Amino acid sequence: KQEVTQIPAALSVPEGENLVLNCSFTDSAIYNLQWFRQDPGKGLTSLLLIQSSQREQTSGRLNASLDKSSGRSTLYIAASQPGDSATYLCAVRRYTGANNLFFGTGTRLTVIP
Amino acid sequence: NAGVTQTPKFQVLKTGQSMTLQCAQDMNHEYMSWYRQDPGMGLRLIHYSVGAGITDQGEVPNGYNVSRSTTEDFPLRLLSAAPSQTSVYFCASKGDRGGETQYFGPGTRLLVL
Repeated sequence: KQEVTQIPAALSVPEGENLVLNCSFTDSAIYNLQWFRQDPGKGLTSLLLIQSSQREQTSGRLNASLDKSSGRSTLYIAASQPGDSATYLCAVRRYTGANNLFFGTGTRLTVIP
Repeated sequence: NAGVTQTPKFQVLKTGQSMTLQCAQDMNHEYMSWYRQDPGMGLRLIHYSVGAGITDQGEVPNGYNVSRSTTEDFPLRLLSAAPSQTSVYFCASKGDRGGETQYFGPGTRLLVL
């Protein structure tokens, strides 16, 4: 069974700092990996999706990398802002079967003004 | 495009009552799914559908039923609610074309007393 782990569970940083969120998964036979943002009491918003054949994806201040062989992904946030405060979830889709996602428990990020 | 919509936003049930959580999408997506989110755990898949008339079980299907009579709608039924079903429920959809990104609804918060 695919297990997805996110460390740390919570992180506080001062505004302007660069930061890295970590995601690891036990089964490297993945089709893709997706990073989501979840604001309190809200649904999930997709941030970045990396296909298994890709090494990284970038969107604005966000950069996600994928090392499939070691079962790791990182989400890099540059020049953090208070508006980045949210919970960040990573999810992997297995290579076989349907489009079902396996989620980590998330990292709760607080950016202090 | 409204995206993925869910109703109700919040519901309180008594043990043994039944109810239906509604989910609809207007993106003509074939794939739809239901997840539950509990504190300290990642989102877990309940049921999913790859098209009208086709449904299958996910990781935690017990106590829930689904049907998919149209492409747009994917309701989740709780047959006899139990306190263990207290959770936040998210519906998601994905198209076969246009990428792998999954889109999530805003969630339904359910409390079973």
